[in-house]
Amino acid sequence: DVVLTQTPSILSATIGQSVSISCRSSQSLLDSDGNTYLYWFLQRPGQSPQRLIYLVSNLGSGVPNRFSGSGSGTDFTLKISGVEAEDLGVYYCMQATHAPWTFGGGTKLELK
Amino acid sequence: EVKLLESGGGLVQPGGSLRLSCAASGFTFTDFYMSWIRQPPGKAPEWLGVIRNKANGYTTEYNPSVKGRFTISRDNTQNILYLQMNTLRAKDTAIYYCARRGAGDYWGQGVMVTVSS
Repeated sequence: DVVLTQTPSILSATIGQSVSISCRSSQSLLDSDGNTYLYWFLQRPGQSPQRLIYLVSNLGSGVPNRFSGSGSGTDFTLKISGVEAEDLGVYYCMQATHAPWTFGGGTKLELK
Repeated sequence: EVKLLESGGGLVQPGGSLRLSCAASGFTFTDFYMSWIRQPPGKAPEWLGVIRNKANGYTTEYNPSVKGRFTISRDNTQNILYLQMNTLRAKDTAIYYCARRGAGDYWGQGVMVTVSS
């Protein structure tokens, strides 16, 4: 199975600070169809995960543009440009290039 | 508005069976892949499997961790997604989510399944 390693596991930030989360894959996530099936999700406390980013860098419907995704191959990054209180929770990357689809271990974003 | 509502969870003894349902509304159900994903308490989600849309013949794919024990199906007349779980083990204890598309652009609120004697 593809292993996704997220760093850091805990991220402390102040409101307004810009932060980045890394997701590294044990295999390239570039599919033979030319797409890279890498996604980012946010799970707020007590809620279901919410998809933020699809196909590496595309913003999901209704997702604020302070979120951005980048990367290729095996290295991917989620950036939040100006953390807001509603952004606190656990962030997960997920890959759907190689079966079985897998999630990273999560990065908890908390207030400093 | 897209809505996904899971039901059917609860407490089950090891070796037992359970069928989860996911009622979908607000979109054309047959156009979309549908997935089941679970999340043990305090852990990362785990993708269980997907059932494809009408255009792709409603075929299924499973995580090897549950293949042979879990079955995904759909009732396209009533817009309901199912997860049949057999030979349940303590490690199957988790919140179970249904999600639209393979990588979940919308998720349900989840339903708790506890496997314990």
